[in-house]
Amino acid sequence: NAGVTQTPKFRVLKTGQSMTLLCAQDMNHEYMYWYRQDPGMGLRLIHYSVGEGTTAKGEVPDGYNVSRLKKQNFLLGLESAAPSQTSVYFCASSQHAGQPQHFGDGTRLSIL
Amino acid sequence: QKEVEQDPGPLSVPEGAIVSLNCTYSNSAFQYFMWYRQYSRKGPELLMYTYSSGNKEDGRFTAQVDKSSKYISLFIRDSQPSDSATYLCAISLTGTASKLTFGTGTRLQVTL
Repeated sequence: NAGVTQTPKFRVLKTGQSMTLLCAQDMNHEYMYWYRQDPGMGLRLIHYSVGEGTTAKGEVPDGYNVSRLKKQNFLLGLESAAPSQTSVYFCASSQHAGQPQHFGDGTRLSIL
Repeated sequence: QKEVEQDPGPLSVPEGAIVSLNCTYSNSAFQYFMWYRQYSRKGPELLMYTYSSGNKEDGRFTAQVDKSSKYISLFIRDSQPSDSATYLCAISLTGTASKLTFGTGTRLQVTL
């Protein structure tokens, strides 16, 4: 019963480094999403995908890139990490737009 | 004005109490209403999901939507220490471009 799996769970980066966060879902969902969660700000949508090979910008896309080469995977990349990107990152998926999303347990990212 | 407003709490209640959690929203076109529960260091998990207005009950949990007042509520009866978590409301439109809009969450503590 994996659902949505995120790797890694924790990571510490130095300013300017790059990294990729991986999200995998086994529910055959069409839609996938990347959020960041910060205290007092709630969940904010970074990028999303409406199907394999598609991506779109969310509310806070700057500094991030995404790719959806396979239906089950959605990758989030940080090109040049900044301290402002210290956050908890959540991946989610859903079968249809606007309907309940299933979340992973997050990646805690600290950028020094 | 934020699209969804939610009191951050914290809300502390004794075991067995009835808990009322609330959100207000600004866009009357929203049609899907959800409640998520998030334990510390975990991802949000879907608790309740309603379409349009009315009530929905699931065990000790009741979700209520009042579209005329743009107000949604989650009631927890006979609250338990295991209910201690952050509760997030989420709303959305229908359509292929629609996404979830989340409240910032209310932290609930149920004490023995």
